[in-house]
Amino acid sequence: EVQLVESGGGLVQPGGSLRLSCAASGFTFSSYRMHWVRQVPGKGLVWVSRINSDGSSPSYADSVKGRFTISRDNARNTLFLQMDSLRAEDTAVYYCARDYQGLAYWGQGTLVTVSS
Amino acid sequence: QSALTQPRSVSGSPGQSVTISCTGTSSDIGGYDYVSWYQQHPGKAPKLVIYDVDKRPSGVPDRFSGSKSGNTASLTISGLQAEDEADYHCSSYAGYYGVFGGGTKLTVL
Repeated sequence: EVQLVESGGGLVQPGGSLRLSCAASGFTFSSYRMHWVRQVPGKGLVWVSRINSDGSSPSYADSVKGRFTISRDNARNTLFLQMDSLRAEDTAVYYCARDYQGLAYWGQGTLVTVSS
Repeated sequence: QSALTQPRSVSGSPGQSVTISCTGTSSDIGGYDYVSWYQQHPGKAPKLVIYDVDKRPSGVPDRFSGSKSGNTASLTISGLQAEDEADYHCSSYAGYYGVFGGGTKLTVL
């Protein structure tokens, strides 16, 4: 069974940092492109970042470029999102998702709250 | 990287059909046949219901169908059922980026 489990969310002050993790199981993690998507509760989904299966060609939404870094450890079946210089508008639930014929598998999400 | 445009809400009675539109540009919807649709119930993670414009994942009822014309994609749900009441989000590949719509709330009357 495919499973994606995010962790690392929490309350952080503006300007602070957090590192999100997404632990993958039930499939060959190293074969799939992965994404981060976020959602303010009650609002729409917003694409954040993606990374190829081999860790190459990371790309970012303009709103997070230069502040967020996506990476992966294929040996540990884990996807990461390093979030620096956090702002109030980064407050959201962050989902990781597997890319193949659409985003067919999603984690349960982890809540990031940026507030003083 | 502008969001795709969806109606905020649509509604229909059980058994009826509804169509949700999703408008983008030639850089996203119009440029690629990689439109996806996601169903999301309150407090739950999104669920894929259509990928590559008009393909249904295994387990998704054939009441769900997708199409595209130019820069606009559409999701049609026929034979509406109470459990179809949810938020629906469209998404498109856009080169190195992804983009979503603002989401549409479907109410089953």
